[in-house]
Amino acid sequence: IAGITQAPTSQILAAGRRMTLRCTQDMRHNAMYWYRQDLGLGLRLIHYSNTAGTTGKGEVPDGYSVSRANTDDFPLTLASAVPSQTSVYFCASSEDSGQPYNEQFFGPGTRLTVL
Amino acid sequence: GQNIDQPTEMTATEGAIVQINCTYQTSGFNGLFWYQQHAGEAPTFLSYNVLDGLEEKGRFSSFLSRSKGYSYLLLKELQMKDSASYLCAVRGGDYKLSFGAGTTVTVRA
Repeated sequence: IAGITQAPTSQILAAGRRMTLRCTQDMRHNAMYWYRQDLGLGLRLIHYSNTAGTTGKGEVPDGYSVSRANTDDFPLTLASAVPSQTSVYFCASSEDSGQPYNEQFFGPGTRLTVL
Repeated sequence: GQNIDQPTEMTATEGAIVQINCTYQTSGFNGLFWYQQHAGEAPTFLSYNVLDGLEEKGRFSSFLSRSKGYSYLLLKELQMKDSASYLCAVRGGDYKLSFGAGTTVTVRA
């Protein structure tokens, strides 16, 4: 693995179903993030984790939950999917959340459609 | 809250120069980033500005004026492969990134 991987690449999901999007990084970065990208709205932060064992809410957290059991993995769960959660989801990581210059590295994205 | 504005679309000719403007109003400021995103792909880092002035990196340059809440990304000697979306993102006082909606640049032969 090099960088950030996400799974699945794409998914079609029935409304009401539970879904977990997976994200793994091998850069030993402390901070990880989940964004959704919708046309005309840009990237919006859902949840973040500054370090393993901690998580925080971003701009649009409702309907989503995350966990950070270790440094490498940061799964995003939709407990009961709704059509408004149709979007492209990007996972990202940075070396440290508290340094101004730390650029974020993005995974390839998961395209989710909720019907 | 954060407010970041950039034009939706721009078109330019191969070999030309294009300037993408970004204005922002944020709670605190810890730097401004520009990312490039090709269709269907992940955003990739282009530049970072935290002090006023121009940062040059090859064909790409980025400028920042903190007092005006303004930045621009300058793309010189445009190539077809530069056709992409360009995202302006501001790191606020909470160290989180807030993104603009992106500017889609189309380079024509």
